[in-house]
Amino acid sequence: GNSVTQMEGPVTLSEEAFLTINCTYTATGYPSLFWYVQYPGEGLQLLLKATKADDKGSNKGFEATYRKETTSFHLEKGSVQVSDSAVYFCALSDRSNTGKLIFGQGTTLQVKP
Amino acid sequence: EAGVTQFPSHSVIEKGQTVTLRCDPISGHDNLYWYRRVMGKEIKFLLHFVKESKQDESGMPNNRFLAERTGGTYSTLKVQPAELEDSGVYFCASSQDVVIQRTGELFFGEGSRLTVL
Repeated sequence: GNSVTQMEGPVTLSEEAFLTINCTYTATGYPSLFWYVQYPGEGLQLLLKATKADDKGSNKGFEATYRKETTSFHLEKGSVQVSDSAVYFCALSDRSNTGKLIFGQGTTLQVKP
Repeated sequence: EAGVTQFPSHSVIEKGQTVTLRCDPISGHDNLYWYRRVMGKEIKFLLHFVKESKQDESGMPNNRFLAERTGGTYSTLKVQPAELEDSGVYFCASSQDVVIQRTGELFFGEGSRLTVL
């Protein structure tokens, strides 16, 4: 069945460091891929998405490229800020048009000043 | 426009008691979903409503969980009787057909944290 695997956290970085959170997936067909973020005390928010191979999603300085050949959707940011501290979830949606999402286990990011 | 709202934000109950969680989706969203995150693990799908009908309830863990969506508006998720392993964060999400078919994107609420002692 479909699945998503994220790198385990927590990830602790200093401000302005480079961030990579790895995400790989297993799916039949051509799923849409997402990164959702949960800031402390808040709900899940969509950070970025990509709907087909080689698409690059980007938002708030974060980027992720849909790599079909490596079945990956790694999240990157060139210079993190303290305000980026949150839990990041990689997810996929299959193309059965149900909207059912498969999530990874989440990666906690802590950015220190 | 109001987002997805959930109530209560946090509930603490004893094993064997009953809890009812409520979700108000974004107005006009026919699709409503319940998800759960237990013990810091992955967020898992519970069920999917289209209007008032259950489209997919394959993720419901057992018959202690009952979800309803009267009139196709708000939804409730009742746990009766609650067990220790039911502790976690319950997320509600909604979306429109056209958005789902194009991208699969869902809009989530802040979640209801359930603690069973």
